[in-house]
Amino acid sequence: GENVEQHPSTLSVQEGDSAVIKCTYSDSASNYFPWYKQELGKRPQLIIDIRSNVGEKKDQRIAVTLNKTAKHFSLHITETQPEDSAVYFCAIRRVGTYKYIFGTGTRLKVLA
Amino acid sequence: DADVTQTPRNRITKTGKRIMLECSQTKGHDRMYWYRQDPGLGLRLIYYSFDVKDINKGEISDGYSVSRQAQAKFSLSLESAIPNQTALYFCATSEDRGHYNEQFFGPGTRLTVL
Repeated sequence: GENVEQHPSTLSVQEGDSAVIKCTYSDSASNYFPWYKQELGKRPQLIIDIRSNVGEKKDQRIAVTLNKTAKHFSLHITETQPEDSAVYFCAIRRVGTYKYIFGTGTRLKVLA
Repeated sequence: DADVTQTPRNRITKTGKRIMLECSQTKGHDRMYWYRQDPGLGLRLIYYSFDVKDINKGEISDGYSVSRQAQAKFSLSLESAIPNQTALYFCATSEDRGHYNEQFFGPGTRLTVL
């Protein structure tokens, strides 16, 4: 079935350090893996995504890696800044559908 | 700018009352979704619609119903609200354009059921 486990639920890092959030999924037919950022009191917004035919994608300080064999994908944020503090959600989408299943979220706090 | 809007933004109601949350979009997207957000539980899919004639149940549809009145409008109803439906509700849209699959969320409706 469709299930996404996201860890950790909370993460505190010092400004300038890196942060890594990991999601594990069960549906081997998943082919699209987006990450959303939700700032306090705001709506979730897409920050990066990856498809199953790609192992890694990078956009400035953020990157996503995908291991299809192990069924997990991770968000990497380097040189963290206070404005990176937010809740981050991973999601999966099964091939041939437009139904998204979200992880339970990770609250990232970047300490100045 | 094309956007996704939700009304009301906040609502307090009593147990047993019927309530409707409305979502409108000017993005021209076919696909619309309703999610519920609870602390520690992430975003859970209630219903989704691929076009006016297509409605699908999500993970947690019990106690909810929806109506897709037009391509741009998707309403969520609670026929008889109960306290454990207190949550933040988000509407979202997306379009079918090959590799372009971003979901765009509305600002959310905070619902409290007393």
